[in-house]
This record gives sequence, C-alpha cells and structure tokens, in this order.
Amino acid sequence: GAVVSQHPSWVICKSGTSVKIECRSLDFQATTMFWYRQFPKQSLMLMATSNEGSKATYEQGVEKDKFLINHASLTLSTLTVTSAHPEDSSFYICSVSAVWGINTEAFFGQGTRLTVV
Amino acid sequence: LAKTTQPISMDSYEGQEVNITCSHNNIATNDYITWYQQFPSQGPRFIIQGYKTKVTNEVASLFIPADRKSSTLSLPRVSLSDTAVYYCLVGSTGTASKLTFGTGTRLQVTL
Repeated sequence: GAVVSQHPSWVICKSGTSVKIECRSLDFQATTMFWYRQFPKQSLMLMATSNEGSKATYEQGVEKDKFLINHASLTLSTLTVTSAHPEDSSFYICSVSAVWGINTEAFFGQGTRLTVV
Repeated sequence: LAKTTQPISMDSYEGQEVNITCSHNNIATNDYITWYQQFPSQGPRFIIQGYKTKVTNEVASLFIPADRKSSTLSLPRVSLSDTAVYYCLVGSTGTASKLTFGTGTRLQVTL
C-alpha cells in the first residue's frame, strides 16, 4: 500500500508561534490529501482536503487563515498552524487514498502531536 | 455522507471471536462500508471493505445484510494486540472521497 510519512512526530511550541507539519506520500502520487485533527479520547475530525496545485477545501468551522495548507507537489502537503494557542494542541493526521487491489483504502501518516505551551 | 452508529466500547477475552456491529440506515446505493483500526497515538489502519454480503481477508470478516443498513466486523480469536479503536465508515470510494469518522468502538482485550 501507499506509505505516508509525517514530520515531525511531535512538536512543542510557544503560544503565538507557527508550526509547520509535513505530510509526504513516499511511493504514490497524490493529487488529494486529507488533514484530520484528533483530541484525546475523541474521533478524527476532517479539517480540510488538500488539492495539488490549487487551494485547499476546508470543512465548516475550520479557519483557513489559521490552518494554512499547501500542496505544491504530488508527494507533499504541508499544514501550518499559525499563531498557535494551547487550544490548538492536538494530534494532527494526514491521509492519502489509493486504489489497492479491489479496494479504495486510506493510508494514514503516523500523526503529529502538537503541544502549545 | 451516511451517519454511522457503533457501540462506544466492548470488552473481550483473548482467544474469543469479537463482533462489532455498525448501523448505517441512510447508506446510499454507491456507498461502500470500510472499517479502520486505530492504536493510541497512531494513524488509523485499513482493515476491510465491502459492498454487500460477506468479505473475508487475513485479519477479519465483514458481514453485510441484504438491506445494507448495518454491517458487522468479525475478528476471530482476538489477542491483546487487538486492543484498539475500530471505526466503521460509509461512503463512496474514490481517491478524492472524504472520510467521515464516527465515534468508533473501543475494544479492550484482556487475558
């Protein structure tokens, strides 16, 4: 299946600073990638759809100016959390969907744990 | 996107078969049913996908009745390492199709 790698795996930043998270599709060219956020003991919440070469599509309630998404190549999407605050502390996960055999599977990165202090 | 309903949690002993049922009354004609497994602090992992009847792979079986309004994930002879959250998703396939995660079922396997 597709291999998706996120970097960094964890990051601690000061309130008010910006943090960039990278999502790489190592062996698959992805025109579309997805970004999720997951709070402790909760489910994954889709934040936005990252589209290669065009603007991301954000889910309702997600601030596009707060969470900047760039998908400049078929193998890399980045999520930048701008002016981070403690309430932005969460587990951020990206995914790529690919046809694998007879199924369409979503392949997820290992996630990035962001802690804002 | 069809909404799904699953039990919040389940407990099982090692070696038992575990069946997790998901309700999706509003499933659309072109929707598939997919199950994912998530361990703490990791991204979810694909388990199985089906459209109707029964699908089996090396780790699980998926049973889908004729009306497709529910589905059951069956894990044979669970082990401690199967302790995880299991999500049932319903939606169209396609690499640009969004996935909507419900609450998931937290399975705890003990000795």
